[in-house]
Amino acid sequence: SAVISQKPSRDICQRGTSLTIQCQVDSQVTMMFWYRQQPGQSLTLIATANQGSEATYESGFVIDKFPISRPNLTFSTLTVSNMSPEDSSIYLCSALLQGKTEAFFGQGTRLTVV
Amino acid sequence: GDSVTQMEGPVTLSEEAFLTINCTYTATGYPSLFWYVQYPGEGLQLLLKATKADDKGSNKGFEATYRKETTSFHLEKGSVQVSDSAVYFCALSDYNNNDMRFGAGTRLTVKP
Repeated sequence: SAVISQKPSRDICQRGTSLTIQCQVDSQVTMMFWYRQQPGQSLTLIATANQGSEATYESGFVIDKFPISRPNLTFSTLTVSNMSPEDSSIYLCSALLQGKTEAFFGQGTRLTVV
Repeated sequence: GDSVTQMEGPVTLSEEAFLTINCTYTATGYPSLFWYVQYPGEGLQLLLKATKADDKGSNKGFEATYRKETTSFHLEKGSVQVSDSAVYFCALSDYNNNDMRFGAGTRLTVKP
């Protein structure tokens, strides 16, 4: 199975600052996604990271707040901009691999905004 | 659109008890169905999957059968262990739409 390395694993940030989360996949990737998981909740899809073009955002999420890059097939970043305490959550990177029907997940980034 | 409805917890069981977590889905196409498990402080791990009707996914003593007639994919285990304590998510994907949907998650606690 694939290894998805996500970092940082956790961070505590001041409000008004930004944090960039990195995701690296060690296998042939077809699609990459970013999810948010608020405490005790299910996963909410933020966006699909598209290689070499702008990400496709879900309703309620915008590029100015969550800019996403995917410069190559196996690497993506998510930035949480101008953070507020409401952004405190777990952020998860996910990937679909060639020949696989299931998604694989990174270990998540636990973000606390103070 | 496609959606998943999952029995919400929390569920608390004694060790060696029988587990069922219900999951039903709504889909316009022919989705693949999954159960993921999330242990504390970790990301989601695939537990089992089924890609077509009547398939049974199984792993680590857990089983789920893809029932098209009842649009269900219930998770079962005959004898749970303390180490099974985690959050379980039912999910479906229909990659014709490039879409994956998750249920609300069910927190399972198994007591010795």
